[in-house]
Amino acid sequence: EAQVTQNPRYLITVTGKKLTVTCSQNMNHEYMSWYRQDPGLGLRQIYYSMNVEVTDKGDVPEGYKVSRKEKRNFPLILESPSPNQTSLYFCASSLSLGTANGAEAFFGQGTRLTVV
Amino acid sequence: GDSVTQMEGPVTLSEEAFLTINCTYTATGYPSLFWYVQYPGEGLQLLLKATKADDKGSNKGFEATYRKETTSFHLEKGSVQVSDSAVYFCALGAGGFKTIFGAGTRLFVKA
Repeated sequence: EAQVTQNPRYLITVTGKKLTVTCSQNMNHEYMSWYRQDPGLGLRQIYYSMNVEVTDKGDVPEGYKVSRKEKRNFPLILESPSPNQTSLYFCASSLSLGTANGAEAFFGQGTRLTVV
Repeated sequence: GDSVTQMEGPVTLSEEAFLTINCTYTATGYPSLFWYVQYPGEGLQLLLKATKADDKGSNKGFEATYRKETTSFHLEKGSVQVSDSAVYFCALGAGGFKTIFGAGTRLFVKA
């Protein structure tokens, strides 16, 4: 089954304790990205990757890191989480066709992160 | 820059009512337009899309037409069901790979 898998689904952590949210896709997609979803703001892109070892900042990258060592995996790293990073996070992947050409994004089920 | 504006929710309807969720966009170039749906506790999934002006996307009884002259992509359904209760996101496929999302509209359908 084609899917994007995120782990964990729920995470409560303390300020400053490094954490990683994993993301894996089995569709051989070149493009992967991370979003955060906050009430009234929709989805905002954090980072994206166009292929292995190619990553770039999205609209709200501060406080986050990513890596793309393998095509299927795209982990999101919070080196020193703060309460303003409490949010719902989604990983997504899509073909290299590009969204302007109609390529849809496939989303994981989300990770609800609470930083206290 | 490119942006998407959709009507605020929540929208509450009775079963079998007609649904319209308004969406307008601002973009340079020729974007693709999407509607995504998010059911409770799940990620977003594509509902329908249109890649050029005057295209109509349709799926599961939902429809939306890409109107370049009014820069709109309104979502419609003739008869909603309780199972349609979800959050609906209008989105724009900008240059390259970037997708720009609206704020989302929550729909409640009462039996």
